[in-house]
Formats: sequence, C-alpha cells, structure tokens
Amino acid sequence: DIVMTQTPLSSPVTLGQSASISCRSSQSLVHSDGNTYLSWLQQRPGQPPRLLIYKVSQRSSGVPDRFSGSGAGTDFTLKISRVEAEDVGVYYCMQTTQFPPTFGGGTKVEIK
Amino acid sequence: QVQLVESGGGVVQPGRSLRLSCAASGFTFSSYGMHWVRQAPGKGLEWVAHISYDGSNQDYVDSVKGRFTISRDNSKNTLYLQMNSLRTEDMSVYHCAKDLGANRIRHFDLWGRGTLVTVSS
Repeated sequence: DIVMTQTPLSSPVTLGQSASISCRSSQSLVHSDGNTYLSWLQQRPGQPPRLLIYKVSQRSSGVPDRFSGSGAGTDFTLKISRVEAEDVGVYYCMQTTQFPPTFGGGTKVEIK
Repeated sequence: QVQLVESGGGVVQPGRSLRLSCAASGFTFSSYGMHWVRQAPGKGLEWVAHISYDGSNQDYVDSVKGRFTISRDNSKNTLYLQMNSLRTEDMSVYHCAKDLGANRIRHFDLWGRGTLVTVSS
C-alpha cells in the first residue's frame, strides 16, 4: 500500500497569515492515464470531511481560492492563504492512484 | 439538498453482525460510485469499501475482506454495509462518501456525518 506522510502534525497560525501542509507519498502518484490522483480534505471539528482539492490542484466546487494545491510525483503541498477562523480543523491528503486508497495521518490547523 | 445520511450504528458484541445504511438525496445516486470510510475515535481516516455505480464491482480493504459486504439499491437511493464477525478493531465512525466517478475510484466529493459502531462485550 502507498504510505502518505503529512507534516507538520500541527500548525498554529495567526489569523490572516498563511499555512502550508506537506504530504509525501511512498511511491509516485502518477497514474498510467497521466493523471495524479492526489486530493486534500478538510475536517472541521464535529463535521464530516469535505473535499477541497482533487487531482493535485483542482479546487472543488465552492472552495475559496485561498486554498491552493501544488506538487508532483511524490511531494505535494496544500497552502491556505489569509487564514480565517473557519479554517480551523484537520487536513488530510489522500491518494487514489493505486489501490487501496490511503490517507495521510492529518495535520491540525489551529489559531495562535 | 445534496446529502448523505448514515444510520444503523450501535453497540454490538464481538463476533456479531450489524448492517449500516446510507440514504442519498439531491443527486443522481445511480450514476456514481460510493464508498465506506471509517474513523476510529480521535484517529485518522481509513477507506473500507467501494461499489461501482451499478453495483457490478466491489472492492475492500484487506482487513474486512470476507467479513463485510457493500451493496446498493439504486431504486431506493441507498447504500449498505453488512458487517459480520465484528472485531474490537472495527469500532469506528463509519462515513459513506460519494465518488466523482462512476466505476473507478477517483475522488470523494460528498461525505455523510457518519454512524458510530461500538464493538464491546
């Protein structure tokens, strides 16, 4: 199985500042069809996960452009610009390039 | 509105069975693959099972293969997870999730709040 490793475990951030979360996969996430099936999920306290980003950098419907994804191969980044209070929660990266789908361990974003 | 609502969780003894349901609304259920994903209390996410849009293909994580069965009734817009021979390590909140695709596992763009399964003697 592909192992997804996220850093940091926790990210205290000042309102209005930026936060970056790193996700590294144990194997390349480039699929034979040429796509890279790496997504980012947000889970606010007491809420179900929500899809933010898919295929590395495509924002899901309704997601503010403060959220951006980048990367290639085995290294990926989620950046949250101008952090707002509603961004508090746990963020997960996830790969669906190879079976079975696997998740990173999560990064907790909190306000300083 | 567009939503997934799980039900059927509860407290069950090890070795017993439980069936979870997930009611879908607000989208064309029969056009999309569906998943079950679990989350142990205070822990991360673990994918459990997938079923294609028409129910013809199912996939499972190794730890539940032979014990869990995913199914769907497109006439009722409902997804199911039959869980047999439950173990203490199966104790989790079980979320259903919708895939962006029909057949292949791609991205999970809608999640339910989940239903808690507690396995304890």
